[in-house]
Amino acid sequence: DSGVTQTPKHLITATGQRVTLRCSPRSGDLSVYWYQQSLDQGLQFLIQYYNGEERAKGNILERFSAQQFPDLHSELNLSSLELGDSALYFCASSPLDRGGTGELFFGEGSRLTVL
Amino acid sequence: LAKTTQPISMDSYEGQEVNITCSHNNIATNDYITWYQQFPSQGPRFIIQGYKTKVTNEVASLFIPADRKSSTLSLPRVSLSDTAVYYCLVGDLNTPLVFGKGTRLSVIA
Repeated sequence: DSGVTQTPKHLITATGQRVTLRCSPRSGDLSVYWYQQSLDQGLQFLIQYYNGEERAKGNILERFSAQQFPDLHSELNLSSLELGDSALYFCASSPLDRGGTGELFFGEGSRLTVL
Repeated sequence: LAKTTQPISMDSYEGQEVNITCSHNNIATNDYITWYQQFPSQGPRFIIQGYKTKVTNEVASLFIPADRKSSTLSLPRVSLSDTAVYYCLVGDLNTPLVFGKGTRLSVIA
């Protein structure tokens, strides 16, 4: 158990819909990262927050947005969903501001299926 | 951002030592080398990290030559439970970790 909690574990929805994925980082960790893993693309970095502020942005679509709240939990909002958005979405946390060193602790992921 | 190249897949028998080599020819001075392990439908798990020479922990060893253009993850005496995807990552303090496709290790009884 990494200490990172993600909900929901599974989500099935239709194209055009909007969903919110939630992540609670390990106690004390200020950084939250979101990653998307699909079969053909591997593990893609989406976005990082540190103590409520956006720190780095990766391959995140404009239809996707995220935020980190004062209690440090984070939410990833996916809107106007397309079939290609079906993937495992992982949240990771670390105590560090930067992700290049140190260890990232990953949650078990939220599996999104868009029909 | 340093690009990494590692084998797509490897097979090994139980009890053998497995070495997975990663190439990162354009590694920068501030870059560290990190390896993660991922089981199906689970999040990646940190294995080991190093900057140069050799690093060893209870799970694996990481060998980094002087030019740092490659690194080798060594797993001693693998078991069936070591079947997983292994990712080599290179990054500095300012760059979130970028995962490639990894190496799919299959351990055979």
